[in-house]
Amino acid sequence: KNEVEQSPQNLTAQEGEFITINCSYSVGISALHWLQQHPGGGIVSLFMLSSGKKKHGRLIATINIQEKHSSLHITASHPRDSAVYICAVRGTASKLTFGTGTRLQVTL
Amino acid sequence: NAGVTQTPKFQVLKTGQSMTLQCAQDMNHNSMYWYRQDPGMGLRLIYYSASEGTTDKGEVPNGYNVSRLNKREFSLRLESAAPSQTSVYFCASTVSGLNTEAFFGQGTRLTVV
Repeated sequence: KNEVEQSPQNLTAQEGEFITINCSYSVGISALHWLQQHPGGGIVSLFMLSSGKKKHGRLIATINIQEKHSSLHITASHPRDSAVYICAVRGTASKLTFGTGTRLQVTL
Repeated sequence: NAGVTQTPKFQVLKTGQSMTLQCAQDMNHNSMYWYRQDPGMGLRLIYYSASEGTTDKGEVPNGYNVSRLNKREFSLRLESAAPSQTSVYFCASTVSGLNTEAFFGQGTRLTVV
């Protein structure tokens, strides 16, 4: 079993839909990162959180430390949101362990 | 702000050839990392350097060596490339000991034939 599990693996949504991507982890962490990777592109950090909730524009990230679970929400989704979203947890020695990613496709 | 700069972006090697992937960051970060990304798998840690002068093995270090040349630069070397090392490689940096964001290079797409 992977230390970081994401669901779903693939997600197709229509423009305007509310999207949720989930991340569960099985190890103790100091922080959790949500990252975005566009096709052929680099990796960009969206959020880093260790408790509660953060919001940036149409993106919201929440974490429940007791349940070892985090969610990334996208409100009013748009085709430009199409990307791979990756959850990563920060453990010892600041090492990051990554989930396999959720591939999101938003259609018109 | 350059952030994390990786070179080259693309490389094709023949089996047995050697090469070095370069990574530099200008954010005064003390921790630097090399990851590989393969289809269907999350990024896996090859080597990391928690501070200048130290390096440690990650999850998949076999076939690789690293050098932390100074605080800015962290290079990854393939001494004798194998087809199994065909992958996309990412360098990353962060400030260790603090919960801060991680910054990634643009990636190097390496093909070994």
